[in-house]
Amino acid sequence: DGGITQSPKYLFRKEGQNVTLSCEQNLNHDAMYWYRQDPGQGLRLIYYSQIVNDFQKGDIAEGYSVSREKKESFPLTVTSAQKNPTAFYLCASSTWGRSSSTDTQYFGPGTRLTVL
Amino acid sequence: GESVGLHLPTLSVQEGDNSIINCAYSNSASDYFIWYKQESGKGPQFIIDIRSNMDKRQGQRVTVLLNKTVKHLSLQIAATQPGDSAVYFCAENTDSWGKLQFGAGTQVVVTP
Repeated sequence: DGGITQSPKYLFRKEGQNVTLSCEQNLNHDAMYWYRQDPGQGLRLIYYSQIVNDFQKGDIAEGYSVSREKKESFPLTVTSAQKNPTAFYLCASSTWGRSSSTDTQYFGPGTRLTVL
Repeated sequence: GESVGLHLPTLSVQEGDNSIINCAYSNSASDYFIWYKQESGKGPQFIIDIRSNMDKRQGQRVTVLLNKTVKHLSLQIAATQPGDSAVYFCAENTDSWGKLQFGAGTQVVVTP
């Protein structure tokens, strides 16, 4: 898990409620990412941020929002507009490859969100 | 725990044998590849990576082979141990800023 923490480990939400998942890293990484994982599937990118105060949509951003006010923190809000939010959510970080090289993404322990 | 292995391809390996996990990637322009290990209910753990200017890289008990001609990546685990039981994902870098595309994963089950 390295220096990436996610909280809470388990989260339950009622339909119609927004919920925010926390992700913090102390690796001094520029880039941070949010992924969603469903059973039997690979990871799908929700949002990513290369620098503070900037973020980009990934492949499945609808129904989610993020902020990047601090380098260390990249919280994800699952809004009521997300039609099927029950999933395992993973946060990752990396140094940002400003050259042609690409750097490894390191993952947090994940948050399991269940909608009741 | 997280049922990440549900419906995934499964590789059953006897303890002490070598394991080979295969991955076909999609983008011929991908220049960086990573293997991750994910245990039930946990986040993926980095195992080993390889860049496209190499065809083989070795780590501790693991070797990654890259065949760019057929867009194939493999992970070899030597002397497989019970602690190697997990889901293994390959990932490829598909663009200039580092976006990774993940495969669905392979469930490895080590039997005594």
